[in-house]
Amino acid sequence: AQSVTQLDSQVPVFEEAPVELRCNYSSSVSVYLFWYVQYPNQGLQLLLKYLSGSTLVKGINGFEAEFNKSQTSFHLRKPSVHISDTAEYFCAVSALEYGNKLVFGAGTILRVKS
Amino acid sequence: DTAVSQTPKYLVTQMGNDKSIKCEQNLGHDTMYWYKQDSKKFLKIMFSYNNKELIINETVPNRFSPKSPDKAHLNLHINSLELGDSAVYFCASSQVRGMPAADTQYFGPGTRLTVL
Repeated sequence: AQSVTQLDSQVPVFEEAPVELRCNYSSSVSVYLFWYVQYPNQGLQLLLKYLSGSTLVKGINGFEAEFNKSQTSFHLRKPSVHISDTAEYFCAVSALEYGNKLVFGAGTILRVKS
Repeated sequence: DTAVSQTPKYLVTQMGNDKSIKCEQNLGHDTMYWYKQDSKKFLKIMFSYNNKELIINETVPNRFSPKSPDKAHLNLHINSLELGDSAVYFCASSQVRGMPAADTQYFGPGTRLTVL
């Protein structure tokens, strides 16, 4: 089975500082990887996804993530955060072999302070 | 224009009641999903329909019954509600483009169900 671990439940950071949200997955097959963001009282919105090709994926709002197959990681980064980035971020994985189901991590709350 | 909409946004009800949550998407997608997000924000898939056909049915009590009258709608009916059913329920949709596992899912705003 596939699973996703988000190592930090909360990440506090000051405005304009860089941030990294960590995600590790376990799977015995090739997977597709996603980062979704959930703003307070809203549904989830896709930030970026890795399907194949270049391991560095750029998404919306200045976020990027790097796929590292040897470390089975897909960490999300932003060089300079804004107050408006305060939200919960979910890493997710899917694979054909697992019925195309999207399996989510437990989420990381990013709190940006002024 | 809302892409994926759900009604109601909030639902408060007593144990033992039967309730429904409706979902509609205007994106022209052919696949729709129901997810449950528990109090710890853990998000888990419950059901998925493709062109009105059930394709994913996770280990969900049979008190939960999805219904898809057409590919733009996926409703969730819950019988005999229990305290443990309290959660936020999200509807989502996607367009299959050859690799369903790679599709982007578009989520609705959620329905917060509270069972008293």
